[in-house]
Amino acid sequence: DIQMTQSPSTLSASVGDRVTITCRASQSINNWLAWYQHKPGKAPKVLIYKASSLESGVPSRLSGSGSGTEFTLTISSLQPDDFATYYCQQFYSYPYTFGQGTKLEIK
Amino acid sequence: QVQLVESGGGVVQPGRSLRLSCAASGFTFSSYGIHWVRQAPGKGLEWVAVIWYDGSNKYYIDSVKGRFTISRDNSKNTLYLQMNSLRAEDTAVYYCTRQAVAVHFDYWGQGTLVTVSS
Repeated sequence: DIQMTQSPSTLSASVGDRVTITCRASQSINNWLAWYQHKPGKAPKVLIYKASSLESGVPSRLSGSGSGTEFTLTISSLQPDDFATYYCQQFYSYPYTFGQGTKLEIK
Repeated sequence: QVQLVESGGGVVQPGRSLRLSCAASGFTFSSYGIHWVRQAPGKGLEWVAVIWYDGSNKYYIDSVKGRFTISRDNSKNTLYLQMNSLRAEDTAVYYCTRQAVAVHFDYWGQGTLVTVSS
């Protein structure tokens, strides 16, 4: 199975900050990676797919990059609605594993 | 609009069975692969199983192989997850989710809670 490792596990930041979350795969997954935002009691929401493609309706302050084994999700200017948990997921092979999550907290 | 609505969750004793359903609407159900993803209390998301658009292929995470069965009825626009020999570690919110053409999961249900406890 492909292991996905996110860092950091928790991130404290303020509104207006620029933040970056990293996701590493245990083997190359080309660009078969998505990022999701998840809030308690709600369904996860896709933000980025194929490593760098922005899902329709997602603000352009979010961006994704990377290929192979290392990927990043960047939020250029944090807004109040951005405080949530973020997950990466690989789609290279089954099982489609998720990272362990990064909780983005208000500082 | 696209909707996925899970049902069938509840409290069940270890070793017993439960069947989850996921009712789909707003899209051509028979054209999409559908997955189950779960989240145990205080834990992250975990992919559980997939069934291809026509039911021809099914894959499972190792921890549920031989106990869970994913199936679909395209005439009823409904996905199922038959869960047998349930264990405490199966306690989670179970989500059904649609696989987009670009492979990622583009629509999700709100989830149904399964609690395995004596």
